[in-house]
Amino acid sequence: GQNIDQPTEMTATEGAIVQINCTYQTSGFNGLFWYQQHAGEAPTFLSYNVLDGLEEKGRFSSFLSRSKGYSYLLLKELQMKDSASYLCAVIRRQAGTALIFGKGTTLSVSS
Amino acid sequence: EAGVTQFPSHSVIEKGQTVTLRCDPISGHDNLYWYRRVMGKEIKFLLHFVKESKQDESGMPNNRFLAERTGGTYSTLKVQPAELEDSGVYFCASSPDGNYGYTFGSGTRLTVV
Repeated sequence: GQNIDQPTEMTATEGAIVQINCTYQTSGFNGLFWYQQHAGEAPTFLSYNVLDGLEEKGRFSSFLSRSKGYSYLLLKELQMKDSASYLCAVIRRQAGTALIFGKGTTLSVSS
Repeated sequence: EAGVTQFPSHSVIEKGQTVTLRCDPISGHDNLYWYRRVMGKEIKFLLHFVKESKQDESGMPNNRFLAERTGGTYSTLKVQPAELEDSGVYFCASSPDGNYGYTFGSGTRLTVV
């Protein structure tokens, strides 16, 4: 089967750096996504990793280690608007293009 | 470019009734997906259309759920008859090639009472 684990909640302060971890156990791994979701809104795409390494995009970076079944999302220079749920999702070759999601990590940023 | 639009945003129905959810994908996106999140659980895949064809419906929970995409444009998801456990947020997403960076709609929050 598939298993995707993320911390349920995290807190941080404005201007800080936070790392949200995601571990997965799945056969046929074919890529990992991070989405951001504000309450009551659509999940929005943040990043996609299929090869090992770090992908940087502005204040957000995502890292993948396929051998360890591990990814993290790094958020720098935190802003209040970064308070949201962060969803880790994987794609499996056997499952076509369907995403398999973790339960998400709720990040609260305080001043 | 307009995003993925879902209607209604909220629906409250009684157990046993029928509800139809609608999704308008981004124009030109052949791939359309339905997902669902029930309270306390992760978002789960329901099914995938490529144009008007069902590519994968392995996530549909039972035969009370019927999805259609006539003409390969908008899609509907009908729940008949609705049960209490069907309550949750139903998301639609679309993508041009199915491989990268879906665009999600804001979801329909369904409450069955």
